Amino acid sequence: DQQVKQNSPSLSVQEGRISILNCDYTNSMFDYFLWYKKYPAEGPTFLISISSIKDKNEDGRFTVFLNKSAKHLSLHIVPSQPGDSAVYFCAARLSNFGNEKLTFGTGTRLTIIP
Amino acid sequence: EPEVTQTPSHQVTQMGQEVILRCVPISNHLYFYWYRQILGQKVEFLVSFYNNEISEKSEIFDDQFSVERPDGSNFTLKIRSTKLEDSAMYFCASRTTGADQPQHFGDGTRLSIL
Repeated sequence: DQQVKQNSPSLSVQEGRISILNCDYTNSMFDYFLWYKKYPAEGPTFLISISSIKDKNEDGRFTVFLNKSAKHLSLHIVPSQPGDSAVYFCAARLSNFGNEKLTFGTGTRLTIIP
Repeated sequence: EPEVTQTPSHQVTQMGQEVILRCVPISNHLYFYWYRQILGQKVEFLVSFYNNEISEKSEIFDDQFSVERPDGSNFTLKIRSTKLEDSAMYFCASRTTGADQPQHFGDGTRLSIL
């Protein structure tokens, strides 16, 4: 099942610079997308989401962009901080009569270099 | 901030035994989910639960698995006759009512089958 893909397993960014995490999907029926952050020994923590009717959503340092024609979304973190070092998962929802399972990508490990 | 609570954090069980994983969702949430993550693999959807019944389940969620909301606060996942391949992190999630509401995850239970 490769419906949601994160092709970069890891990313290193200098503190203060912009971090850009990417995610591609194949199912055009996905209608809601989420980014989660995960520290070791913890569960995924919700960061930010975007509905398929929008192309951008911003919350503080985090911005998610959605390009439906390319089936691509990205998460921008600016400025990057050491506490942002974690694994980031994108997830997509396919709403079907209220059923809302999430399909996850494999994750990208972000390391912020002080 | 309210959170999803899972117990135990680590469960070790002999193959063939039954195990119950427990979750306390966020108190005003009505939609509940179980996911699992086998080591090195993606987070995978198992089952969603609403209004005291299963609303969707994956092909993983066969007769070996069951879910229950025994009272107003707990949500449990029972695995009967456990197998070695059931070893994984199991995450509970919940969300509130409304369109485009994110699922919030607990810290997971690490299940080890010996």
